[in-house]
Amino acid sequence: KAGVTQTPRYLIKTRGQQVTLSCSPISGHRSVSWYQQTPGQGLQFLFEYFSETQRNKGNFPGRFSGRQFSNSRSEMNVSTLELGDSALYLCASSLARRDKNTEAFFGQGTRLTVV
Amino acid sequence: GENVEQHPSTLSVQEGDSAVIKCTYSDSASNYFPWYKQELGKRPQLIIDIRSNVGEKKDQRIAVTLNKTAKHFSLHITETQPEDSAVYFCAARLNSGGYQKVTFGTGTKLQVIP
Repeated sequence: KAGVTQTPRYLIKTRGQQVTLSCSPISGHRSVSWYQQTPGQGLQFLFEYFSETQRNKGNFPGRFSGRQFSNSRSEMNVSTLELGDSALYLCASSLARRDKNTEAFFGQGTRLTVV
Repeated sequence: GENVEQHPSTLSVQEGDSAVIKCTYSDSASNYFPWYKQELGKRPQLIIDIRSNVGEKKDQRIAVTLNKTAKHFSLHITETQPEDSAVYFCAARLNSGGYQKVTFGTGTKLQVIP
């Protein structure tokens, strides 16, 4: 079974630009969560999508948005990039079954550098 | 919402010694507590988890304990080895309105000194 796939792996953008990151979950997983990882800040939750609906959102500005498609693939978009947006962006997919342990499987992440 | 605090942020131990990482959570409705290990340059991977109806779980050299009353849980690694060096994240899962939300701690960088 293929794991969680994130593209691209590395990205360099300039301030003010926008960027779109992609995440393909494990087949059959309907929940996709996005996290921002920076040194010293750990894993900061961005948002979670389930069946094409955003059902949880972290404390990030509106410049951060996302969506999920009918095949459960998800994209996140960051507009008007700032230097502080430089980070590793991780997505995680899970079955999200209420009655079962729903281990989250992480992708390898997209390393975004804003210059 | 749920808040997860994790301590210490960094931990250095001699090879063969034990390491303990502690986490507290705020919402008593949280019912699932996974621990993830992230090696340098790699993705976080689940190493052990515990549900709220269990007080302790062990898997070889690693164990997790849960105190629901105090709302804290801990990761114990015995006989540490250099390959245990990594960042460890605790997390708490909360069922909210029929959905689940996982909140992560800020991570502990463990260094095992040979």
